[in-house]
Amino acid sequence: DTAVSQTPKYLVTQMGNDKSIKCEQNLGHDTMYWYKQDSKKFLKIMFSYNNKELIINETVPNRFSPKSPDKAHLNLHINSLELGDSAVYFCASSQGLLGVEAFFGQGTRLTVV
Amino acid sequence: QQQVKQSPQSLIVQKGGISIINCAYENTAFDYFPWYQQFPGKGPALLIAIRPDVSEKKEGRFTISFNKSAKQFSLHIMDSQPGDSATYFCAASMAGRRALTFGSGTRLQVQP
Repeated sequence: DTAVSQTPKYLVTQMGNDKSIKCEQNLGHDTMYWYKQDSKKFLKIMFSYNNKELIINETVPNRFSPKSPDKAHLNLHINSLELGDSAVYFCASSQGLLGVEAFFGQGTRLTVV
Repeated sequence: QQQVKQSPQSLIVQKGGISIINCAYENTAFDYFPWYQQFPGKGPALLIAIRPDVSEKKEGRFTISFNKSAKQFSLHIMDSQPGDSATYFCAASMAGRRALTFGSGTRLQVQP
């Protein structure tokens, strides 16, 4: 069983479209995240949810909207896609208040053409 | 503002050699310093982590050295193997903020 699973793995879409990426974790963790990895491999936090509550929103454009229907799921919806949104998006999860291991999904490579 | 600076950007090491990757941080509120390993097409995976109350942590061939006064920490990979070829990221986080701040990554190639 995959601990953190994302779908789809690849996503190619045209500018202006709306798309969603889904994430599920079966680790029983209370916190889930979305990270963006750009073409230079730089990883940056986008959002963090704890027990379905948004706790971190790192100056991400309003076109990006995370939704957490329950503790095990965190989806990312992106409106009006732009060329600059092309990147690999990683979902992750962790448990606990202090610094602990974050488990990452395999990533979703989004290409906007 | 890059709060965790990582060097070198890339590193080539011969099999059996020692790989050393360095990171420096700015925010003294950071209290957890992990290293992640990422293979192509995969998500990052935790390799080893340290807290600032110790100066060194070793797990197998991997060692973190931590210098709190200099705000620096490094990863040493002993007896480097071709299977270690990957991108390595240092990171930092602080209590109360459930997110990792990553360094820019180091692409390691271990030549046979």
